Amino acid sequence: GAVVSQHPSWVICKSGTSVKIECRSLDFQATTMFWYRQFPKQSLMLMATSNEGSKATYEQGVEKDKFLINHASLTLSTLTVTSAHPEDSSFYICSAISEAWSSYEQYFGPGTRLTVT
Amino acid sequence: DAKTTQPPSMDCAEGRAANLPCNHSTISGNEYVYWYRQIHSQGPQYIIHGLKNNETNEMASLIITEDRKSSTLILPHATLRDTAVYYCIDFYNQGGKLIFGQGTELSVKP
Repeated sequence: GAVVSQHPSWVICKSGTSVKIECRSLDFQATTMFWYRQFPKQSLMLMATSNEGSKATYEQGVEKDKFLINHASLTLSTLTVTSAHPEDSSFYICSAISEAWSSYEQYFGPGTRLTVT
Repeated sequence: DAKTTQPPSMDCAEGRAANLPCNHSTISGNEYVYWYRQIHSQGPQYIIHGLKNNETNEMASLIITEDRKSSTLILPHATLRDTAVYYCIDFYNQGGKLIFGQGTELSVKP
């Protein structure tokens, strides 16, 4: 199957700073990428949908000014957590799809664990 | 919100078949049944999907009832590495979004 990578795999940052997480499709062009957040012992929660070259669409309750998403190329989307606080500590996961596929399958990255101290 | 319901946990003996049920009480005609799993601290992994017919691939088999209100994911010979949370999702694959419910935590025991 297709491969999606994330960088970094884990990050620790201080409260008030910003942190950027990268999501890359390694062997395909991703027309759409998704960002999820997962707290311990909970399911994945969809944060936003990112289409290449256009603004991201955020789910209800997700602060778009706090979670900045950029999908500048067909292989890269970034999520920037601005002015991070301890409650933003979570497991962030991206996924990607390609319109070139005849059978729709959404591939997920390995996740990034963010800890805000 | 997720539309499917699953038992929160199940156990299975290693080498035996694991049968994971899912209820799709509000599935619509253009939605597929998708199954993913998530091993601890990893991203979800696609397993299988289907519309009406039963499906099989190298990982699992998917049984969908005729009324499409329920499905069963079958892992024919469960191994310890199959221990994970399994999610069934009703999904419209032309512009839809994968919305995850609470899933079933499968523990495969030796």
